[in-house]
Amino acid sequence: SQQGEEDPQALSIQEGENATMNCSYKTSINNLQWYRQNSGRGLVHLILIRSNEREKHSGRLRVTLDTSKKSSSLLITASRAADTASYFCATEMGQAAGNKLTFGGGTRVLVKP
Amino acid sequence: GAVVSQHPSWVICKSGTSVKIECRSLDFQATTMFWYRQFPKQSLMLMATSNEGSKATYEQGVEKDKFLINHASLTLSTLTVTSAHPEDSSFYICSASVPTGVRNQPQHFGDGTRLSIL
Repeated sequence: SQQGEEDPQALSIQEGENATMNCSYKTSINNLQWYRQNSGRGLVHLILIRSNEREKHSGRLRVTLDTSKKSSSLLITASRAADTASYFCATEMGQAAGNKLTFGGGTRVLVKP
Repeated sequence: GAVVSQHPSWVICKSGTSVKIECRSLDFQATTMFWYRQFPKQSLMLMATSNEGSKATYEQGVEKDKFLINHASLTLSTLTVTSAHPEDSSFYICSASVPTGVRNQPQHFGDGTRLSIL
């Protein structure tokens, strides 16, 4: 079953704008990960944020984590047409849970040139 | 580094056929691999955890006799969909993480296999 939800389910923006998507989850986690999926392809890892971290950056990506609210956000700045993809958050509860990932529902992002 | 290769990428076959999907870690040894199923415009649902040298661990509701998993080596896990029917049509994806012994490692995904049963 899915750990949580992502919001919005779909997002359409112009190139150059920022895209923000949110992820909520239900249980305590070891870390939260964001992945990107192009249509018909596998997932590409973007950022992993540990439960004791609050914010992380990688290039044009910024991820926040609020464990008290059980939520995370992914911000893509200065979006490009090539950023068009589905974005998924996934939570990992650690070795005791077999290092399994539980995915959110995903956000489909369309960046218009 | 950390490349996971999945084969085939696309399969179309008749109802009743058994289909084998391979997942290989190309540049690392994976003691654990994961198999997911994804329906169109939906998220990934974990089907099972594949453990090298031992039986797979299946998620609740996944038929182990329908979805046979074999992890015979540290670089190869296979998923066999036995006697496939149209409702088994889906996108199947595998993943593995590099066993560095360090916690908090991402998973590396194959490119998926689109299975269409006629």
